[in-house]
Formats: sequence, C-alpha cells, structure tokens
Amino acid sequence: GQQLNQSPQSMFIQEGEDVSMNCTSSSIFNTWLWYKQDPGEGPVLLIALYKAGELTSNGRLTAQFGITRKDSFLNISASIPSDVGIYFCAGTNNNDMRFGAGTRLTVKP
Amino acid sequence: GAGVSQSPSNKVTEKGKDVELRCDPISGHTALYWYRQRLGQGLEFLIYFQGNSAPDKSGLPSDRFSAERTGESVSTLTIQRTQQEDSAVYLCASSTRTGRLVSEQFFGPGTRLTVL
Repeated sequence: GQQLNQSPQSMFIQEGEDVSMNCTSSSIFNTWLWYKQDPGEGPVLLIALYKAGELTSNGRLTAQFGITRKDSFLNISASIPSDVGIYFCAGTNNNDMRFGAGTRLTVKP
Repeated sequence: GAGVSQSPSNKVTEKGKDVELRCDPISGHTALYWYRQRLGQGLEFLIYFQGNSAPDKSGLPSDRFSAERTGESVSTLTIQRTQQEDSAVYLCASSTRTGRLVSEQFFGPGTRLTVL
C-alpha cells in the first residue's frame, strides 16, 4: 500500500540547531502520530495529534496537525546528540493506518 | 514492568526454509500487532489480534504468512518457504486498548530477518 510522503529522508545537523520534518498525504487522516526509532529498537511514540489545527509540544518537540488533515510537521528545537535516530510519521483514519518512510537524523556534536 | 520482547533478534535463513518469529507482549495488553519494516521504508501492517476475537489478517502479503496467538499471551509469526523479498525487520507491538488503529502501541525491538 502507499505510504505517507515524509521529507526529508535524512538530515545532518550541528548540535544546537533546530530541525523540521513533515509528512503529506493525498488522503485525509483523523490522527497524526510521530514516532522515534533508535537503532535496534522499536518505534516509541513521541506525540499524538487528534484534531485538525492542533499544535502540541513535548519538551523540545512540537508537532502540528494540518488544517487540511492531509499533513503534519514535527519540529525539534536546540538539537542534542541523543536526538539521533529515525523519526516516523503515521496517520490513521477509519480504514487504515499508514507510516512514512522515516527521516534519519544525525546530530554532530 | 517489562516491555514487549521479541525473539530471535536476528535470523538468517536460506531461501525456501520456514521461519518462526516470537513476540511476548506486555502483560495485560489485550491487543497485539505485527508489522514489517523493509530497509528505508515505513511500517507495513500485517496482522492484529484482540483477545479471543478473530484476528484482522488484512495486511498479510501472501498465504505463506500466518500468525497465531493463544489468548492474550505469546504470538508467533510464521513465514513458510521464505523468499529474498521477505528480508526485513518484523516488529511486534501491544496495546491495552482495542482497535487496530489505536495510537498507544508499545513496540518490541524487532526481529531482523535475512533470507539468503
């Protein structure tokens, strides 16, 4: 099945910089989720968004559910080395749950 | 308490052989999910178990794939006559809440399957 369009595929940033990644879809979703996956581990839920236009923060992370319900972004402020990993978006609707291909983040100290 | 555990962590097999992957969900979690994660791709839903209800098998890619779960305990995912395209990380997740689309799923570390 078709996945969500997640970009960028990878990012190389300096410690302290801010990061932004996003997901788009041609379909409407009722929920947007953002996960982080460390090497050799399963994904861990970071933020869940349940309402169009919702803006939610979790520490240095901020995510928004797009007004059109077809997109979402995740921002990480003041990145630190432990932010390294792969970030996945996921969208759910009445019929399905789809995942993005992931954004691989590398943070240079 | 302990999280979701999976075994083996790595499995290398020859094309045509059968493999069995195991998932131990978090105790008390009634829902259990299997996903496949190919290199550089997102997660593909395979199958969902909820208590004693009939499983949602809509994501299984072929009849070579099957899964079982006894009650609310361990689950096994079996791939028969493995093919090279089956190479992937197979992730298991469990949840306390019902529904295939529930967001609060707790993932295991996965089993990395390599088919030579």
